[in-house]
Amino acid sequence: ILNVEQSPQSLHVQEGDSTNFTCSFPSSNFYALHWYRWETAKSPEALFVMTLNGDEKKKGRISATLNTKEGYSYLYIKGSQPEDSATYLCALTSGGSNYKLTFGKGTLLTVNP
Amino acid sequence: GAVVSQHPSWVICKSGTSVKIECRSLDFQATTMFWYRQFPKQSLMLMATSNEGSKATYEQGVEKDKFLINHASLTLSTLTVTSAHPEDSSFYICSGGRLNTEAFFGQGTRLTVV
Repeated sequence: ILNVEQSPQSLHVQEGDSTNFTCSFPSSNFYALHWYRWETAKSPEALFVMTLNGDEKKKGRISATLNTKEGYSYLYIKGSQPEDSATYLCALTSGGSNYKLTFGKGTLLTVNP
Repeated sequence: GAVVSQHPSWVICKSGTSVKIECRSLDFQATTMFWYRQFPKQSLMLMATSNEGSKATYEQGVEKDKFLINHASLTLSTLTVTSAHPEDSSFYICSGGRLNTEAFFGQGTRLTVV
């Protein structure tokens, strides 16, 4: 069973603060790392899918990095806004597992105005 | 992104009854649909992989006779929880999309069995 760990479990920041959270995963047999943003009562929304060691991806104020050798990915949010409040999920796809996603428990971000 | 519509969003049923949850891909053809379950404070856990026109593949520990999956068309997959019991109360969510690209999720179904 793959173990995908996310930290912190939750955090509160003030509007305008920048923040980041971590996703750790087993580095062996890595195939892809996904980040999703999940707002309450909505569907999880894909942010990034990363496959290569050293990958850096950016969408607006949100960016992510990937280190497959040491088994971690960081998600960064610059200048947090209240609308960024959501649960951020990471999920791992490993080779040989029929490409299914193994999720972490998520990081719940609350941005206070 | 692509849209997956899941219904119902919540359901309360009596113990021993069956509940059907539907997932429809609205603007793409989903040859494969994944069904997940999430218990409180836990991660989304894959239950089964639904393949259009063939039998579903179930994860270890998931009873195939209890969680019936039907994927009769490229746009519809259903999960039926048969003879539901309180321990089946959970959040169920489906996703579709091409393998190894971003997944497109339904809105999820909160099932409460009383």
